[in-house]
Amino acid sequence: KQEVTQIPAALSVPEGENLVLNCSFTDSAIYNLQWFRQDPGKGLTSLLLIQSSQREQTSGRLNASLDKSSGRSTLYIAASQPGDSATYLCAVRLTGGGNKLTFGTGTQLKVEL
Amino acid sequence: DAGITQSPRHKVTETGTPVTLRCHQTENHRYMYWYRQDPGHGLRLIHYSYGVKDTDKGEVSDGYSVSRSKTEDFLLTLESATSSQTSVYFCAISESRERDQPQHFGDGTRLSIL
Repeated sequence: KQEVTQIPAALSVPEGENLVLNCSFTDSAIYNLQWFRQDPGKGLTSLLLIQSSQREQTSGRLNASLDKSSGRSTLYIAASQPGDSATYLCAVRLTGGGNKLTFGTGTQLKVEL
Repeated sequence: DAGITQSPRHKVTETGTPVTLRCHQTENHRYMYWYRQDPGHGLRLIHYSYGVKDTDKGEVSDGYSVSRSKTEDFLLTLESATSSQTSVYFCAISESRERDQPQHFGDGTRLSIL
Protein backbone atom coordinates (compact mmCIF):
# COMPACT_ATOMS: atom_id res chain seq x y z
CA LYS A 1 0.00 0.00 0.00
CA GLN A 2 1.32 3.39 -1.01
CA GLU A 3 2.12 5.69 1.89
CA VAL A 4 2.90 9.37 1.44
CA THR A 5 4.66 11.35 4.15
CA GLN A 6 5.25 15.08 4.44
CA ILE A 7 7.74 16.45 6.90
CA PRO A 8 7.64 18.83 8.68
CA ALA A 9 3.96 19.04 9.57
CA ALA A 10 4.32 22.77 10.18
CA LEU A 11 6.86 25.40 9.22
CA SER A 12 7.22 29.09 10.01
CA VAL A 13 9.62 31.31 8.06
CA PRO A 14 10.27 35.04 7.71
CA GLU A 15 9.16 36.80 4.55
CA GLY A 16 11.66 36.66 1.71
CA GLU A 17 13.19 33.34 2.67
CA ASN A 18 13.58 30.53 0.15
CA LEU A 19 12.16 27.27 1.47
CA VAL A 20 11.77 23.60 0.61
CA LEU A 21 8.85 21.33 1.44
CA ASN A 22 9.38 17.58 1.37
CA CYS A 23 7.23 14.68 0.22
CA SER A 24 8.23 11.02 0.33
CA PHE A 25 6.38 7.95 -0.95
CA THR A 26 6.94 4.25 -0.43
CA ASP A 27 6.01 2.81 -3.83
CA SER A 28 8.10 4.17 -6.70
CA ALA A 29 5.71 2.84 -9.37
CA ILE A 30 3.98 6.17 -9.74
CA TYR A 31 2.28 7.70 -12.76
CA ASN A 32 2.65 11.26 -11.58
CA LEU A 33 2.92 13.44 -8.49
CA GLN A 34 0.86 16.53 -7.85
CA TRP A 35 1.40 19.43 -5.42
CA PHE A 36 -1.62 21.28 -4.06
CA ARG A 37 -2.22 24.30 -1.91
CA GLN A 38 -5.11 24.45 0.58
CA ASP A 39 -6.23 27.66 2.26
CA PRO A 40 -8.30 27.46 5.48
CA GLY A 41 -11.90 26.51 4.80
CA LYS A 42 -11.20 26.06 1.12
CA GLY A 43 -10.64 23.26 -1.33
CA LEU A 44 -7.36 22.29 -2.92
CA THR A 45 -5.72 24.28 -5.68
CA SER A 46 -3.45 22.37 -8.04
CA LEU A 47 0.02 23.97 -8.21
CA LEU A 48 2.22 21.60 -10.20
CA LEU A 49 1.97 18.14 -11.70
CA ILE A 50 5.11 16.15 -12.48
CA GLN A 51 4.96 13.13 -14.75
CA SER A 52 6.96 10.05 -13.75
CA SER A 53 9.33 10.67 -16.66
CA GLN A 54 10.08 14.25 -15.59
CA ARG A 55 12.60 15.52 -13.08
CA GLU A 56 11.07 18.90 -12.34
CA GLN A 57 8.36 21.42 -13.11
CA THR A 58 8.34 25.16 -12.61
CA SER A 59 5.60 27.73 -12.24
CA GLY A 60 6.60 31.25 -11.26
CA ARG A 61 8.31 31.13 -7.86
CA LEU A 62 7.52 27.45 -7.46
CA ASN A 63 9.72 24.57 -8.53
CA ALA A 64 8.87 20.93 -7.89
CA SER A 65 11.36 18.11 -8.34
CA LEU A 66 10.84 14.37 -8.47
CA ASP A 67 13.27 11.53 -7.73
CA LYS A 68 11.29 8.37 -8.30
CA SER A 69 14.08 5.98 -7.41
CA SER A 70 14.44 7.45 -3.93
CA GLY A 71 10.71 8.05 -3.49
CA ARG A 72 11.03 11.79 -2.95
CA SER A 73 9.68 15.07 -4.22
CA THR A 74 10.42 18.59 -3.09
CA LEU A 75 8.55 21.84 -3.58
CA TYR A 76 10.83 24.85 -3.62
CA ILE A 77 9.29 28.25 -2.96
CA ALA A 78 11.48 31.23 -3.78
CA ALA A 79 11.27 34.59 -2.03
CA SER A 80 8.37 33.57 0.20
CA GLN A 81 5.52 36.02 0.84
CA PRO A 82 2.80 36.16 3.52
CA GLY A 83 0.30 35.21 0.79
CA ASP A 84 2.09 31.87 0.48
CA SER A 85 0.81 30.92 3.95
CA ALA A 86 -1.32 27.80 3.48
CA THR A 87 -1.18 24.04 3.80
CA TYR A 88 0.73 22.31 1.02
CA LEU A 89 -0.21 18.77 0.06
CA CYS A 90 1.43 16.30 -2.25
CA ALA A 91 -0.39 13.39 -3.87
CA VAL A 92 0.77 10.49 -6.00
CA ARG A 93 -1.03 8.53 -8.65
CA LEU A 94 0.10 4.94 -9.02
CA THR A 95 0.53 3.19 -12.34
CA GLY A 96 -2.42 0.91 -12.91
CA GLY A 97 -4.36 2.67 -10.17
CA GLY A 98 -6.98 4.31 -12.31
CA ASN A 99 -6.91 8.02 -11.66
CA LYS A 100 -6.87 7.66 -7.88
CA LEU A 101 -4.59 9.80 -5.77
CA THR A 102 -2.92 9.00 -2.47
CA PHE A 103 -2.33 12.12 -0.40
CA GLY A 104 0.17 13.12 2.23
CA THR A 105 -1.09 14.85 5.38
CA GLY A 106 0.41 18.18 4.37
CA THR A 107 2.82 20.84 5.61
CA GLN A 108 1.25 23.93 7.15
CA LEU A 109 3.34 26.93 6.11
CA LYS A 110 3.28 30.32 7.77
CA VAL A 111 5.26 33.18 6.25
CA GLU A 112 5.67 35.99 8.72
CA LEU A 113 6.22 39.69 8.06
CA ASP B 1 -11.21 28.14 -11.10
CA ALA B 2 -12.85 24.90 -12.22
CA GLY B 3 -16.65 25.12 -12.09
CA ILE B 4 -17.37 22.85 -9.16
CA THR B 5 -20.16 23.53 -6.68
CA GLN B 6 -20.70 21.46 -3.56
CA SER B 7 -23.93 21.63 -1.59
CA PRO B 8 -24.62 22.07 1.19
CA ARG B 9 -21.43 23.77 2.41
CA HIS B 10 -22.22 22.97 6.03
CA LYS B 11 -24.56 20.44 7.61
CA VAL B 12 -25.26 19.26 11.13
CA THR B 13 -27.39 16.18 11.60
CA GLU B 14 -28.06 13.34 14.01
CA THR B 15 -26.78 9.80 14.09
CA GLY B 16 -28.93 7.43 12.08
CA THR B 17 -30.31 9.98 9.63
CA PRO B 18 -29.69 9.77 5.88
CA VAL B 19 -27.53 12.47 4.33
CA THR B 20 -26.92 13.31 0.68
CA LEU B 21 -24.15 15.60 -0.53
CA ARG B 22 -24.17 16.98 -4.03
CA CYS B 23 -21.34 17.85 -6.38
CA HIS B 24 -22.19 19.79 -9.53
CA GLN B 25 -19.68 20.59 -12.29
CA THR B 26 -19.95 22.79 -15.34
CA GLU B 27 -16.74 21.53 -17.03
CA ASN B 28 -18.22 18.42 -18.67
CA HIS B 29 -15.36 16.36 -17.19
CA ARG B 30 -15.70 12.62 -17.29
CA TYR B 31 -14.16 11.75 -13.94
CA MET B 32 -15.58 12.77 -10.56
CA TYR B 33 -14.39 11.86 -7.07
CA TRP B 34 -15.47 12.08 -3.46
CA TYR B 35 -12.83 12.42 -0.73
CA ARG B 36 -13.00 12.95 2.98
CA GLN B 37 -10.40 14.92 4.91
CA ASP B 38 -9.67 14.17 8.54
CA PRO B 39 -6.88 15.36 10.85
CA GLY B 40 -3.95 12.96 10.77
CA HIS B 41 -5.27 11.07 7.74
CA GLY B 42 -5.11 13.55 4.92
CA LEU B 43 -7.55 13.14 2.07
CA ARG B 44 -8.87 9.67 1.40
CA LEU B 45 -10.86 8.54 -1.60
CA ILE B 46 -14.40 7.33 -0.88
CA HIS B 47 -15.82 6.63 -4.35
CA TYR B 48 -15.20 7.82 -7.86
CA SER B 49 -17.03 7.84 -11.17
CA TYR B 50 -15.62 7.39 -14.67
CA GLY B 51 -18.86 8.14 -16.50
CA VAL B 52 -22.63 8.29 -16.16
CA LYS B 53 -23.76 5.29 -14.09
CA ASP B 54 -20.14 4.08 -13.84
CA THR B 55 -18.73 4.18 -10.33
CA ASP B 56 -16.15 2.35 -8.26
CA LYS B 57 -15.06 2.14 -4.65
CA GLY B 58 -12.15 3.95 -3.13
CA GLU B 59 -10.14 3.41 0.01
CA VAL B 60 -12.86 4.19 2.58
CA SER B 61 -16.17 3.31 0.90
CA ASP B 62 -17.92 1.47 3.75
CA GLY B 63 -21.10 3.29 4.81
CA TYR B 64 -21.24 5.40 1.65
CA SER B 65 -22.99 5.06 -1.68
CA VAL B 66 -22.85 7.22 -4.79
CA SER B 67 -24.88 7.87 -7.88
CA ARG B 68 -24.23 9.63 -11.14
CA SER B 69 -27.25 9.93 -13.43
CA LYS B 70 -25.92 12.95 -15.32
CA THR B 71 -22.42 14.00 -16.33
CA GLU B 72 -22.61 17.14 -14.22
CA ASP B 73 -23.87 15.68 -10.93
CA PHE B 74 -22.26 13.22 -8.51
CA LEU B 75 -24.14 12.44 -5.31
CA LEU B 76 -22.69 10.99 -2.12
CA THR B 77 -25.15 9.36 0.28
CA LEU B 78 -24.70 8.29 3.87
CA GLU B 79 -27.61 5.90 4.34
CA SER B 80 -27.47 6.03 8.15
CA ALA B 81 -24.97 8.58 9.36
CA THR B 82 -22.58 7.74 12.21
CA SER B 83 -20.36 10.02 14.29
CA SER B 84 -17.28 8.54 12.59
CA GLN B 85 -18.49 10.12 9.36
CA THR B 86 -18.07 13.61 10.76
CA SER B 87 -15.57 15.10 8.34
CA VAL B 88 -14.97 17.56 5.55
CA TYR B 89 -16.00 16.11 2.21
CA PHE B 90 -14.43 17.23 -1.04
CA CYS B 91 -15.53 16.61 -4.58
CA ALA B 92 -12.96 16.61 -7.38
CA ILE B 93 -13.10 16.34 -11.16
CA SER B 94 -10.66 15.49 -13.91
CA GLU B 95 -11.00 15.51 -17.64
CA SER B 96 -9.63 12.08 -18.42
CA ARG B 97 -7.39 9.31 -17.22
CA GLU B 98 -4.49 10.73 -19.17
CA ARG B 99 -1.60 11.21 -16.84
CA ASP B 100 -1.15 14.89 -17.48
CA GLN B 101 -4.61 15.80 -16.30
CA PRO B 102 -4.71 17.18 -12.75
CA GLN B 103 -7.66 16.86 -10.42
CA HIS B 104 -9.56 20.03 -9.50
CA PHE B 105 -11.37 20.36 -6.21
CA GLY B 106 -14.52 22.00 -4.88
CA ASP B 107 -14.57 24.04 -1.66
CA GLY B 108 -15.83 21.20 0.49
CA THR B 109 -18.80 20.33 2.71
CA ARG B 110 -18.30 20.34 6.46
CA LEU B 111 -20.51 17.60 7.91
CA SER B 112 -21.08 17.10 11.63
CA ILE B 113 -22.91 14.03 12.92
CA LEU B 114 -24.10 14.44 16.50
